[in-house]
Amino acid sequence: DGGITQSPKYLFRKEGQNVTLSCEQNLNHDAMYWYRQDPGQGLRLIYYSQIVNDFQKGDIAEGYSVSREKKESFPLTVTSAQKNPTAFYLCASSHDGGYGYTFGSGTRLTVV
Amino acid sequence: GQQVMQIPQYQHVQEGEDFTTYCNSSTTLSNIQWYKQRPGGHPVFLIQLVKSGEVKKQKRLTFQFGEAKKNSSLHITATQTTDVGTYFCAALPGAQKLVFGQGTRLTINP
Repeated sequence: DGGITQSPKYLFRKEGQNVTLSCEQNLNHDAMYWYRQDPGQGLRLIYYSQIVNDFQKGDIAEGYSVSREKKESFPLTVTSAQKNPTAFYLCASSHDGGYGYTFGSGTRLTVV
Repeated sequence: GQQVMQIPQYQHVQEGEDFTTYCNSSTTLSNIQWYKQRPGGHPVFLIQLVKSGEVKKQKRLTFQFGEAKKNSSLHITATQTTDVGTYFCAALPGAQKLVFGQGTRLTINP
């Protein structure tokens, strides 16, 4: 079955450490996205990529970095510069950047 | 940047009652999408509306897109416990990335 796989499901990080969240899709979608969701809040866009080797900052890109070396993969690194990284991180993809995003099951990151 | 305002933020109903959430924008939207996120889960795409005044139905769910393409609504008739979750509208104001509303969290008293 096609879909998006995010790993790990839960992640604990010490302050000052970088951590990378994985996102892989086998839907042959061109566009991929990273969103952050805080408890009881909506989704805020961190980064997005519409083609391989190209990506753009979203609304809250500070303290995050991404790469898009392969169409299937769009990993997100949460750096030590991110002041408040504890959140639920969601990866999504779409065929043409418009119709019906498909979301992964998310990664819950906790800074300890 | 483009904002999509969604109300109410929370709604608690008795099972069997109806539920409506509204989405508003100050600018014209090319389309509006609706997603459902179950507690502890991830958003799942429900539907997309494109045409002015469009109405679409999915069983007990009715989706509307305003005539001016600046607002939309999702109405659930006779809610069931399976309807619990947060409902998000999302819009493509022009650029190739969705802008999500804050969501309406629906809880149901069985």
